[in-house]
Amino acid sequence: AQSVTQLDSQVPVFEEAPVELRCNYSSSVSVYLFWYVQYPNQGLQLLLKYLSGSTLVESINGFEAEFNKSQTSFHLRKPSVHISDTAEYFCAVRFMGGSYIPTFGRGTSLIVHP
Amino acid sequence: DGGITQSPKYLFRKEGQNVTLSCEQNLNHDAMYWYRQDPGQGLRLIYYSQIVNDFQKGDIAEGYSVSREKKESFPLTVTSAQKNPTAFYLCASSTRLGEDYGYTFGSGTRLTVV
Repeated sequence: AQSVTQLDSQVPVFEEAPVELRCNYSSSVSVYLFWYVQYPNQGLQLLLKYLSGSTLVESINGFEAEFNKSQTSFHLRKPSVHISDTAEYFCAVRFMGGSYIPTFGRGTSLIVHP
Repeated sequence: DGGITQSPKYLFRKEGQNVTLSCEQNLNHDAMYWYRQDPGQGLRLIYYSQIVNDFQKGDIAEGYSVSREKKESFPLTVTSAQKNPTAFYLCASSTRLGEDYGYTFGSGTRLTVV
């Protein structure tokens, strides 16, 4: 079965430290990949996506993610986090040839400490 | 500004009562979705609609019903048959089913059944 795994439910980090939020999926088919961010009591906002082309994609607020086909991963990174990055982050994968609906991971709570 | 409006933001209901959550979009999107979010479980798809007067069950449709009489509106009814209705409900839309620019989400409705 096709699935999306976010390995860490919670990632605590100090301000200005680097962070990596992990996302893996299980399938050999082509995929489209997404990261969403959710601030407390709000909806999700699209952070970045990979559809094709360069495997490294960037967002406007300093996050980046790299598609690794051999490891079926799409990890999210930021070299220096801010307090305002504290939020829930969701990885989503659309598997080609199946449902048009992407599958969401369970989310990773990023907690940035001063 | 275009977007998705969910109302109310907070909703309290007694057990055994039906309740309807509102979702309105002015993005001219064809496809709309309802998700349920519980702590640690990510997003689970309840229903989706790719066009007016058409909708499909998602992964957890039991105890829920929807209608799509207008392109802009996709209300969700939580019926008394839903065994554990207390959750955060998110509505989303996209240009069409299967397009991959990502979803636009509303800010959610937190339903508490007592």
